[in-house]
Amino acid sequence: EVQLVESGGGLVKPGGSLRLSCAASGFTVSNTWMTWVRQAPGKGLEWVGRIKRKSDGGTTDYAAPVKGRFTISRDDSKNTLYLQMNSLKTEDTAVYYCSETLGHWGQGTLVTVSS
Amino acid sequence: EIVLTQSPGTLSLSPGERATLSCRASQSVSSNSLAWYQQKPGQAPRLLIYAASSRATGIPDRFSGSGSGTDFTLTISRLEPEDFAVYYCQQYGSSPWTFGQGTKVEI
Repeated sequence: EVQLVESGGGLVKPGGSLRLSCAASGFTVSNTWMTWVRQAPGKGLEWVGRIKRKSDGGTTDYAAPVKGRFTISRDDSKNTLYLQMNSLKTEDTAVYYCSETLGHWGQGTLVTVSS
Repeated sequence: EIVLTQSPGTLSLSPGERATLSCRASQSVSSNSLAWYQQKPGQAPRLLIYAASSRATGIPDRFSGSGSGTDFTLTISRLEPEDFAVYYCQQYGSSPWTFGQGTKVEI
């Protein structure tokens, strides 16, 4: 059974950093394109970025609002995806979801950026 | 960036009725790389349709997707009580990938 479990969310001050984790089971993260999507409170879905599978080069791509501040990576030995978030802004407050591209989603983790 | 505009914003229907949701792109979506998701309150989105018209695993056949280029449609042939939710379209053919703003299907 495919399962994705995000963790690492919480309250952080503007300008701070946070690293989200997405532990996968039932499939191999390095063999799949993986995506991060966020949803601000009461708002719609916003694509954050994605990482290609290793056989496709493993490259990353990001939405403009997070480019240069967020980094997607993975640890193949742990079958885990990460989202490193730096220079956080109040507008980054959202539930962050990881997903197999065109597949299963995790339950999300809430990030709140506030002083 | 491809902007996706969904209409209507809210669709008020009854169980058993047919729902037709529209997603219009500001430019042609490459290779019909268009997906539809369903989201219920407090839950993660669920993939319904990919490649404009292919149903994801386990999705009932009352859900169907159609369209190409810039105009796409999600049709729910007969609404079940569990279908009342918010629906999003997403294009993944051009970077940055983008979502529509959502259509709420309510009773």
